[in-house]
Amino acid sequence: NAGVTQTPKFQVLKTGQSMTLQCAQDMNHEYMSWYRQDPGMGLRLIHYSVGAGITDQGEVPNGYNVSRSTTEDFPLRLLSAAPSQTSVYFCASSFLGQGGTNVLTFGAGSRLTVL
Amino acid sequence: GQQVMQIPQYQHVQEGEDFTTYCNSSTTLSNIQWYKQRPGGHPVFLIQLVKSGEVKKQKRLTFQFGEAKKNSSLHITATQTTDVGTYFCAGPWVTGGGNKLTFGTGTQLKVEL
Repeated sequence: NAGVTQTPKFQVLKTGQSMTLQCAQDMNHEYMSWYRQDPGMGLRLIHYSVGAGITDQGEVPNGYNVSRSTTEDFPLRLLSAAPSQTSVYFCASSFLGQGGTNVLTFGAGSRLTVL
Repeated sequence: GQQVMQIPQYQHVQEGEDFTTYCNSSTTLSNIQWYKQRPGGHPVFLIQLVKSGEVKKQKRLTFQFGEAKKNSSLHITATQTTDVGTYFCAGPWVTGGGNKLTFGTGTQLKVEL
C-alpha cells in the first residue's frame, strides 16, 4: 500500500496563478482532509470530506476549493494564488470513527511558494 | 473557536535529559491524540487517549490525559537524538461531529550530544 500520496512535492507560483494539489489514498478511508503548516502556527485545517460528494470547511478555507468525486482522491485547488498561501500543505486521511476518534495518516507534504 | 495551545514552543536538551510538553484546550475534549513530525517530514500518529486521567506508556514516552479532559502531557525520559522533532497534540472539534481535528502549535525538541 502506498498510503497517502501527494503531488507535486514542490511548486512555485506567481501571484494570481491557479493550481491543484493532488491527494490520493489507497486505504479505503472515508475521511480526507487538507492542512496547511506555517512556522509557529501548527497545522490548520483547510477543508475536509467524510465521503464522496461531501465536503466541508475547516478553520482557514478562504482561497481554496475542494471536491471529492471518488473515495480515493481529494484535490485542493487554488484559484488565484496569493503570497499568503505560501506554506507546506498536508493531506491526511482516516477511517471515520465514532465521536471523533479519527487517527490521521498524513501524506509527505507539498511545499508551495507564491511569489 | 476551539483552541489548543502547547508549551513550550521550543526545547533544547542534552541527550539523556528528560523532556515534557504540555497541551491545553479551551474546551473539554472527547479524546486527544499525539503526533510526531521529524524535521522535513510529515506528522506521524503516536497515541490516542480517551479516558479522564488516562496514562499510557510507549517505552520512554509517557502520555497523560487530564482529569477534566482539557489538558494533556507528553514526557520523554532520557532523551535520545532519535527523539528530535516537533510534537503535536490534537483534539476533535466539539462541532462537526468530531471529525475535525484541531492541532496544537507544537513543541520543537532539539537534542544535543
